[in-house]
Amino acid sequence: QVQLQESGPGLVKPSQTLSLTCTVSGASISSGGYYWSWIRQPAGKGLEWIGHIYTSGSTNYNPSLKSRVTISVDTSKNQFSLKLSSVTAADTAVYYCAREDHIIVVPDASWLDPWGQGTLVTVSS
Amino acid sequence: DIQMTQSPSSLSASVGDRVTIACRASQSISRYLNWYQQKPGKAPKFLIYAASSLQRGVPSRFSGSGSGTDFTLTITSLQPEDFAIYYCQQSYSTPRTFGQGTKVEIK
Repeated sequence: QVQLQESGPGLVKPSQTLSLTCTVSGASISSGGYYWSWIRQPAGKGLEWIGHIYTSGSTNYNPSLKSRVTISVDTSKNQFSLKLSSVTAADTAVYYCAREDHIIVVPDASWLDPWGQGTLVTVSS
Repeated sequence: DIQMTQSPSSLSASVGDRVTIACRASQSISRYLNWYQQKPGKAPKFLIYAASSLQRGVPSRFSGSGSGTDFTLTITSLQPEDFAIYYCQQSYSTPRTFGQGTKVEIK
């Protein structure tokens, strides 16, 4: 059973860089075939897709965050990471990591499962 | 970006009711539409992919339909554990986008 777990500081100061790591267990990131994703959710609001990274290292980011986001993968540790620079209070949210799975013969038929439990990051001085 | 709009934003229903939630895409997304359920303090739970295919283990009272721009999630015979927020999400293109959510409350 594949499980994901987010980790990182729960408090980040404005203008600094938010850094989170997602540790994958029960499957090898390097085995290929999946996108590894980050999604966030401000308190009481909806879900916002941040971006994802393929096993090869290719990435796609949300244009609304693209200038500040970097997603990377460390296959030796079976982890992938999120960095979000120049944070403001608007970046306060629960951050989730998730695997994007798909139908082999229909790559666009993809979905997010499983998800990590989420980690709250607060931006405040 | 493809905008996803759900309706209604919230609804009140009783145990045993049939509930339908609509999701509309701002452009055609074929059948590349997923549904998730989220309960307070928990991560979203994946329910349905490709508009109508039920994830393994999801009760058969959940069903999805639609293609192009208009989709629906139906829950027949609502159960106490179904009271939650439901989100649709398109996988047709990046950025992936979600609907704003529909909260299903107890009447």
